[in-house]
Amino acid sequence: AQTVTQSQPEMSVQEAETVTLSCTYDTSESNYYLFWYKQPPSRQMILVIRQEAYKQQNATENRFSVNFQKAAKSFSLKISDSQLGDTAMYFCAFMKLGGGADGLTFGKGTHLIIQP
Amino acid sequence: NAGVTQTPKFRVLKTGQSMTLLCAQDMNHEYMYWYRQDPGMGLRLIHYSVGEGTTAKGEVPDGYNVSRLKKQNFLLGLESAAPSQTSVYFCASSHRTPGLAGPWDEQFFGPGTRLTVL
Repeated sequence: AQTVTQSQPEMSVQEAETVTLSCTYDTSESNYYLFWYKQPPSRQMILVIRQEAYKQQNATENRFSVNFQKAAKSFSLKISDSQLGDTAMYFCAFMKLGGGADGLTFGKGTHLIIQP
Repeated sequence: NAGVTQTPKFRVLKTGQSMTLLCAQDMNHEYMYWYRQDPGMGLRLIHYSVGEGTTAKGEVPDGYNVSRLKKQNFLLGLESAAPSQTSVYFCASSHRTPGLAGPWDEQFFGPGTRLTVL
């Protein structure tokens, strides 16, 4: 079984600042996917970014990027030029390769607040 | 194309009552999942299905039953509700990954059902 740990229950930054959310995980699998999901007050789960563990290059999606350190089992999310609409819960999640049927394993989440 | 829908959106039950949550998807996805989300927790997998007529247990299956009689529907049942089952329930669906080395397929989530058991 795998575990996902998010050690920051809440973070608050000013609009336009850069913020980094931390995530560590534990697994015996060698091939897997990692994700960051955003959950705004509407409750809808929104995929922000994903990373395949077999790819060394860090994933980026516009203002969102990750720092994936496979040996350290670390997967942090960096949000650049933060916006008020980024205020939400952010969840780190794990899925083993070929394990789509097993679902996702989530961390407990980080509540990110962007201050005007 | 509605994606993943859940019925109902809110429900209040008394301890011991039963109910069924319905999840429907119109994307012809093979895999479907039921998760629960409790305060201060991420989502946890209750049950999942890899195809019509098949279901399997996830991380927290006790107190729940599921059925997948049609490919597009995945039902979650509570036979005798308990206060510990007060939670927000999410359904999700995804395509079957074609082979172990195939492309990853995103899980699409429904809007959630808030269930309170008194």
